[in-house]
Amino acid sequence: EIVLTQSPATLSLSPGERATLSCRASQSISNYLAWYQQKRGQPPRLLIYDASNRATGIPARFSGSGSGTDFTLTISSLEPEDFAVYYCQQRSDWLTFGGGTKVEIK
Amino acid sequence: EVQLVQSGGGLVQPGGSLRLSCAASGFTFGSYWMTWVRQTPGKGLEWVANIKPDGSDKYYVDSVKGRFTISRDNAKNSLYLQMNSLRAEDTAVYYCARDLPSTHKNFDYWGQGTLVTVSS
Repeated sequence: EIVLTQSPATLSLSPGERATLSCRASQSISNYLAWYQQKRGQPPRLLIYDASNRATGIPARFSGSGSGTDFTLTISSLEPEDFAVYYCQQRSDWLTFGGGTKVEIK
Repeated sequence: EVQLVQSGGGLVQPGGSLRLSCAASGFTFGSYWMTWVRQTPGKGLEWVANIKPDGSDKYYVDSVKGRFTISRDNAKNSLYLQMNSLRAEDTAVYYCARDLPSTHKNFDYWGQGTLVTVSS
């Protein structure tokens, strides 16, 4: 099973700041990585698929990069609605999720 | 508008059974892979099962094989998860989700989630 490790566990930032979230895979997954946002009491929302493709309706401030084992989700300038938990997910070898990074207001 | 509306769930004793339903609207249900994902505070998000558009192929995470059955009724635009021999570790919020057609195994629409609690 491919293990996805997300860091940091918690990111404390202010609105307007840049957020950089990391996801590392236990073996190469090519570019088969997605990112989701989840707010309390809601299902996850697809942000990015195949490492760098924004899903329909996702603002341009969200971007993804990486390949192989190391991936990054960047939020260029945090809006108030961006404070949430973010998960990565791989589809290279079946399907697993990372443990999440919480982006909280500093 | 794409919608996935879940029903079922609740409290069940260990060894009991439960059936989850997911009613789809706003898209051609019979053209999409569909998936069940569950979430717990301890284990996070976990893929449970998925099913091919025509229902001919089904896949399960090892921990539910032989106990859970995923099915669909394309005429009723509905997805199901029959859960038997439930265990405490099956306690979770269960989501149905639609697979992104271009990638499969990424999920662009999700149900609202339903809580399943297995406890005596």
